[in-house]
Amino acid sequence: GENVEQHPSTLSVQEGDSAVIKCTYSDSASNYFPWYKQELGKGPQLIIDIRSNVGEKKDQRIAVTLNKTAKHFSLHITETQPEDSAVYFCAASSWTGANNLFFGTGTRLTVIP
Amino acid sequence: DTEVTQTPKHLVMGMTNKKSLKCEQHMGHRAMYWYKQKAKKPPELMFVYSYEKLSINESVPSRFSPECPNSSLLNLHLHALQPEDSALYLCASSQDSTIGTGELFFGEGSRLTVL
Repeated sequence: GENVEQHPSTLSVQEGDSAVIKCTYSDSASNYFPWYKQELGKGPQLIIDIRSNVGEKKDQRIAVTLNKTAKHFSLHITETQPEDSAVYFCAASSWTGANNLFFGTGTRLTVIP
Repeated sequence: DTEVTQTPKHLVMGMTNKKSLKCEQHMGHRAMYWYKQKAKKPPELMFVYSYEKLSINESVPSRFSPECPNSSLLNLHLHALQPEDSALYLCASSQDSTIGTGELFFGEGSRLTVL
């Protein structure tokens, strides 16, 4: 089955700096890669996703890049703000027939004011 | 506010109790999921219902019994649980059970403590 590795496990940045979280996956059939943000006491919330026919996607301060050859994808947050502090999970899934998201182990991001 | 509502938010039960977790969504989604999340770990899939039929059971012990009375409701019946079953139980829904077709919406979870 799919194995998703995520690094780093913790990340502290100064407010206004950028944050980068990286994930690798093992199954070349995976073709859907969402990123979830989980705040304390809440369920995960989708913040951005990318499909394997796209190399990069941006949504305001958030961007995701995908390298299918190397089987890795990354989340980039620019101009970080204290409200970006949360646990971020990457995930991978095969588009056809699969009903499961394989999550990475999570990154706890702390933005220091 | 999340559009997937879970009740109760907190539940404490003994190993001999029977309790249920409830989940509701009104987005017209046809797939609903139960995930289990231990502290500092990612969510782990337990069950998937697609069009009100159980389509995936990830080898979950029979002390967890899911039920989907209709397309908007999902229950998780709990019986004879063990302390190691203490966790955050997350309900989620999606438009369809094929993940790639859209976003998975999570509820805020039910935090279960088994004494």
